[in-house]
Amino acid sequence: NAGVTQTPKFQVLKTGQSMTLQCAQDMNHEYMSWYRQDPGMGLRLIHYSVGAGITDQGEVPNGYNVSRSTTEDFPLRLLSAAPSQTSVYFCASRPTGRTYNSPLHFGNGTRLTVT
Amino acid sequence: QKEVEQDPGPLSVPEGAIVSLNCTYSNSAFQYFMWYRQYSRKGPELLMYTYSSGNKEDGRFTAQVDKSSKYISLFIRDSQPSDSATYLCAMSALSNYQLIWGAGTKLIIKP
Repeated sequence: NAGVTQTPKFQVLKTGQSMTLQCAQDMNHEYMSWYRQDPGMGLRLIHYSVGAGITDQGEVPNGYNVSRSTTEDFPLRLLSAAPSQTSVYFCASRPTGRTYNSPLHFGNGTRLTVT
Repeated sequence: QKEVEQDPGPLSVPEGAIVSLNCTYSNSAFQYFMWYRQYSRKGPELLMYTYSSGNKEDGRFTAQVDKSSKYISLFIRDSQPSDSATYLCAMSALSNYQLIWGAGTKLIIKP
């Protein structure tokens, strides 16, 4: 099992450009989510999905879109990149069920810089 | 004020020392408490979880929850250089609710 795979590992964008961060998991997890991690801020939830065809907003959704057409994939789209979106982005998945005994499985992140 | 406060460190201790990592929180509804470990350039991974108050031990690691003080701790005994990482606390109010994260404490164990 590869677990949660994120691509690309690094990306540099210019202000106003768009791009898609890819996330795939091979554990048949229903729940998938996107976080951003900034120094001193901890992990902040952007969007999440509890199954194919179902998505919802997290704490910081503005400027990002998601879709979930399959159980395996959960891409994150930046519509018009801004310097404030410079961050490390993590995709995470878990089985449905109780949060405390269904740990989140994280990918290794995409490091995005917007100039 | 953040719902979960965690000192970012870095905390530097010699190998073999006992390490204490802590988080405070403001929401008395939190009942599920987790500690994740994050190595450099990697995603976080679950280290320990506890429900409500009390202690939980797993090898060299002990998680402690004091709901009356809204304070949780992670103790590492006989610390090793391989324990050097960022430790994030996370908590939630309901079994299927979203996690609220601390900012993480960077721990350095000196050989």
